[in-house]
Amino acid sequence: AQSVTQPDIHITVSEGASLELRCNYSYGATPYLFWYVQSPGQGLQLLLKYFSGDTLVQGIKGFEAEFKRSQSSFNLRKPSVHWSDAAEYFCAVGEAGGSYIPTFGRGTSLIVHP
Amino acid sequence: DAGITQSPRYKITETGRQVTLMCHQTWSHSYMFWYRQDLGHGLRLIYYSAAADITDKGEVPDGYVVSRSKTENFPLTLESATRSQTSVYFCASSEQGYEQYFGPGTRLTVT
Repeated sequence: AQSVTQPDIHITVSEGASLELRCNYSYGATPYLFWYVQSPGQGLQLLLKYFSGDTLVQGIKGFEAEFKRSQSSFNLRKPSVHWSDAAEYFCAVGEAGGSYIPTFGRGTSLIVHP
Repeated sequence: DAGITQSPRYKITETGRQVTLMCHQTWSHSYMFWYRQDLGHGLRLIYYSAAADITDKGEVPDGYVVSRSKTENFPLTLESATRSQTSVYFCASSEQGYEQYFGPGTRLTVT
């Protein structure tokens, strides 16, 4: 069965600092990979996705993520964090050509200090 | 307006009452999902539907009932609400396994 691990429950960064949120998955086939963001009191919004091709994908709000098959990782990065980036971030993995039910990680809460 | 909506946004009910949470999407996506979100548990899938009249259980289906007579609607019913069902409920839709689009959520409190 597929699984997704987000090792960091909370991450604290200063505004303007760089950010990397980790995501590791366990999957035997070719995964579809997603990052979602959830601002307080709101639903989840897609940041970016990887299906195939270039392993470095660009998303909205200045985020990017890199798919590393050898490490089973799909880490989310941003070069300079803004206070408005404070939110919960979820990594998810789906199965290419199979079940259309993605598996979500437990989430990482990002705290941004001024 | 295009999108996915949930109603009500907030609901307080008593133990034992029946409650129905509504979800409506305007994209004609084939897949729809219901999740609950609780501290320490992340998102947990309750039920999902691959098309009208096709539904299946997720990770935590006990105590919930769903139906999908029309592609755009996917109501979730708590037949006899319990305090353990106090949670935030999210509906989502997607097309053939691609990215999901989430509603704004319903915060349900069972007293």
